[in-house]
Amino acid sequence: QLVLTQSPSASASLGASVTLTCTLSTGHTTYAIVWHQQQPEKGPRYLMKVNSDGSHTNGDGIPDRFSGSSSGAERYLTIASLQSEDDADYFCHTWGTGIEVFGGGTKLTVL
Amino acid sequence: EVQLVESGGGLVKPGGSLRLSCAASGFTFSHAWMYWVRQTPGKGLEWVGRIKSKTDGETTDYAVPVKGRFTISRDDSKNTLFLQMNSLETEDTAIYYCTSNRFGVMDIWGKGTTVNVSS
Repeated sequence: QLVLTQSPSASASLGASVTLTCTLSTGHTTYAIVWHQQQPEKGPRYLMKVNSDGSHTNGDGIPDRFSGSSSGAERYLTIASLQSEDDADYFCHTWGTGIEVFGGGTKLTVL
Repeated sequence: EVQLVESGGGLVKPGGSLRLSCAASGFTFSHAWMYWVRQTPGKGLEWVGRIKSKTDGETTDYAVPVKGRFTISRDDSKNTLFLQMNSLETEDTAIYYCTSNRFGVMDIWGKGTTVNVSS
C-alpha cells in the first residue's frame, strides 16, 4: 500500500534552516514526490517535485532557499533563512496508477 | 494569470446532492489532468478523484470513500471542471479544492469551496 509518513510538527528559529522529512512506504521507495505548502487560512501551493535521485524542480516563483533532496525512501524539504511567512503546513504527495496519496502534513512553527 | 476558482459549495442535508464547479483561466485547460482534493477542518489533504485530458481518454479515478457517489466531469469548451456529489454523508464535510496537472505535477490550486453536510 502506497503511504507517505510525515512528522506532525517541527519548529525552528527565524533565520535558521529546517529540514522536513517524508517517508515512502516499503516497495515504493523509488517514487518521486511533490511538496505543497499551506499557509494559515489559505489554499495549498505547489513548492517542488523531488525525484528519487535527489534532483528537484521548484515551482514558479518559489525562492531558491527552498530545496529538495532524497535518500532511500526519504524525501526532504529544506528551507533556509526561515522567514515568518514560512510558518505553515507542509504536505508531501505522490501518485500511483489511479491513485494520489498525501502525507499527513507537518506543521512548521517559526520561532 | 493562471487561476482556478471553485464555486457551488454550501449547506446540504445528509443524503442530498451538490454540484461543485471549478473555472480555469490562464492556461490550456483542455491539455491538463484535473483533480479534486478535500480537507476536513484542521486536518490533512485527501484526494477525491481525477479526470484525464480528452487526448488521454478523459478517464476518471476516485478515492474509495467517494466511489459510486461522486462523479467528475469537464467541459473543455468552457474551461470548467465539475464534481457531482450524491448521497452526501456528514463525513463529506470539507473544503473542496480543484487542482491541475499541466506538466506532470499537481501545480495549481484553487482557493477552495466549503461543503457542509448537516441535518
